[in-house]
Order: sequence, then structure tokens, then C-alpha cells
Amino acid sequence: AQSVAQPEDQVNVAEGNPLTVKCTYSVSGNPYLFWYVQYPNRGLQFLLKYITGDNLVKGSYGFEAEFNKSQTSFHLKKPSALVSDSALYFCAVRDRSGNTGKLIFGQGTTLQVKP
Amino acid sequence: SQTIHQWPATLVQPVGSPLSLECTVEGTSNPNLYWYRQAAGRGLQLLFYSVGIGQISSEVPQNLSASRPQDRQFILSSKKLLLSDSGFYLCAWRRQNTEAFFGQGTRLTVV
Repeated sequence: AQSVAQPEDQVNVAEGNPLTVKCTYSVSGNPYLFWYVQYPNRGLQFLLKYITGDNLVKGSYGFEAEFNKSQTSFHLKKPSALVSDSALYFCAVRDRSGNTGKLIFGQGTTLQVKP
Repeated sequence: SQTIHQWPATLVQPVGSPLSLECTVEGTSNPNLYWYRQAAGRGLQLLFYSVGIGQISSEVPQNLSASRPQDRQFILSSKKLLLSDSGFYLCAWRRQNTEAFFGQGTRLTVV
């Protein structure tokens, strides 16, 4: 079965410092991986995706993620955190069986950036 | 450009009352459509998905049902709401080889 794990419920970072939000996955075959961000009482916003190609993927708002096949990880990173980055972050993998395109989400990580 | 509309934004309903949440997508055709539920502001649970008109797949047994009467319309329903149906409901769409795009969600409180 395919699954995604986000081992940290919350990550605390000071503004201006680099941030990392961790994600590991378990899939059969090549994974399609995604990061989404959710602000309170809002829908999910797409940040970035890995389908194929370069292991370092750049996305919206200065975020990037590194795909590591040997460690089955897809950690989200940003060189310099902003207070406005504080939100709930979800890693997801697309179910490759059939053509349903279902996303399997991790439990989410709350990012708190303090001034 | 494509947009997704979900309404209402918030809803308070008594136990035993019916439910109808609507989601429509504009600017694309034949999308895959999804209903997710988010409980307690954390993980998302896939409830239903649809790959075409009239085609509905249910992921978990529950008190809810879904319908897709038109290509870009996806409806989540219940005949009698339970307290446990409270949550944040998200609609999403996807075309082939793209990421999924989510609506702004409906906060349902069953009282």
C-alpha cells in the first residue's frame, strides 16, 4: 500500500532562518510527489511537485523540495523563513494504480515562524 | 484559466437534516473530481472520486453520498446528518498529468 509520513506535528523556526519540513513515502514504482500548504479555514494551495527529472524541485513562494530516492524522502525547504509562511503543510503521493489520480496525504506539519 | 467553486463556505445543520454541498469547475473539461474531509484541522480523508459523469467511487463506508450530474459538477449529499459528519469538506479537480486543485472548502457543523 502507498503511504506518506510526516514525522513532525510541528516545526518551529525563527524568521530569516532556513526551514525544513520532512516527508517520507512508500510507493510501488516511481512516485509522483506533491507539497501543499493550507492556511486556516482555507483550501489547499499547490506548492510544488516531483514527477521526473531533477531531484531538486523549485516551487511557489521560494519553497523547494529535494527528492531522494534512496531515502524515499521528499523534504520541503526554504532558505529564509517568513512569518507569513506559518501554516499547515501537507506532503502527498499520487496513487499510481488505475487512472484515478487519488492523492494520499500525510498527516500534515504545522510550521510556526516566529519574528 | 481554470477555477473551482465550492459552496457554501460555512454551514450549521441539525442532526437528522439533509445535506447538499456543491462543487463546480470552470475552464476545463472531463476533469477527475474528488471530495475530501478534513477532521480536526489535520489529515485529509478521501471520500469520493469521479472520473466521469455518473461515475462515482466511494472510498469509505459512511453516511454520505456523491453525484456527478454534469461534467464539471460534483455534489456531496446526505439524507440524515450525524454529529460525526462535522468537518471541513474539500472538493478538488485534476486533469491528466497535473496536480490537483482544491476549492476553498465548506466548514460543516452538525448540532
